[in-house]
Amino acid sequence: GESVGLHLPTLSVQEGDNSIINCAYSNSASDYFIWYKQESGKGPQFIIDIRSNMDKRQGQRVTVLLNKTVKHLSLQIAATQPGDSAVYFCAESADAGNMLTFGGGTRLMVKP
Amino acid sequence: EAQVTQNPRYLITVTGKKLTVTCSQNMNHEYMSWYRQDPGLGLRQIYYSMNVEVTDKGDVPEGYKVSRKEKRNFPLILESPSPNQTSLYFCASSLGGADSPLHFGNGTRLTVT
Repeated sequence: GESVGLHLPTLSVQEGDNSIINCAYSNSASDYFIWYKQESGKGPQFIIDIRSNMDKRQGQRVTVLLNKTVKHLSLQIAATQPGDSAVYFCAESADAGNMLTFGGGTRLMVKP
Repeated sequence: EAQVTQNPRYLITVTGKKLTVTCSQNMNHEYMSWYRQDPGLGLRQIYYSMNVEVTDKGDVPEGYKVSRKEKRNFPLILESPSPNQTSLYFCASSLGGADSPLHFGNGTRLTVT
């Protein structure tokens, strides 16, 4: 598969446990945030997004938390499954999503 | 199926030989963009287009050209490729505007020798 990054931070979790992936962003003017999942050999896949007027948003098995005070974003995955193994990227935008700045990514490994 | 399609998936070429990577989307999206992905540097935007005949530079536009003659297509052109353009390239599209996440293609692995 394609190598999306060397020396990425790695989070290793047991199947069935909850996962929390963290992201620090830099631009205090950013008002839109997205989490993407990238599997080997594929392009980034949209997971969930959140605007800066919210501090929490839930999807199916995923929750995004936004703390604007400390410019921190997190992705929580409930009951992590082997299919969740991938590299996860956060992205921020101060331009309604037109210009996205991506974080470096975190590799999630799920142990059966 | 709604998708962003890039071609080719893999390309090996030599320095200076012009090449084009095609990108097409079938979602009637206004916004399209090209990114390159490199180890340790993440995803960086090359060019983007907010509509037909409108293109703008991203963070790393040097050595690249794009065109947007039709809504569905957004080709990436390397007039004179160099080895530092060896990378994994992604095309993406969205409706544009607020709350419209990017949808990515599956990537083109380019090697310039």
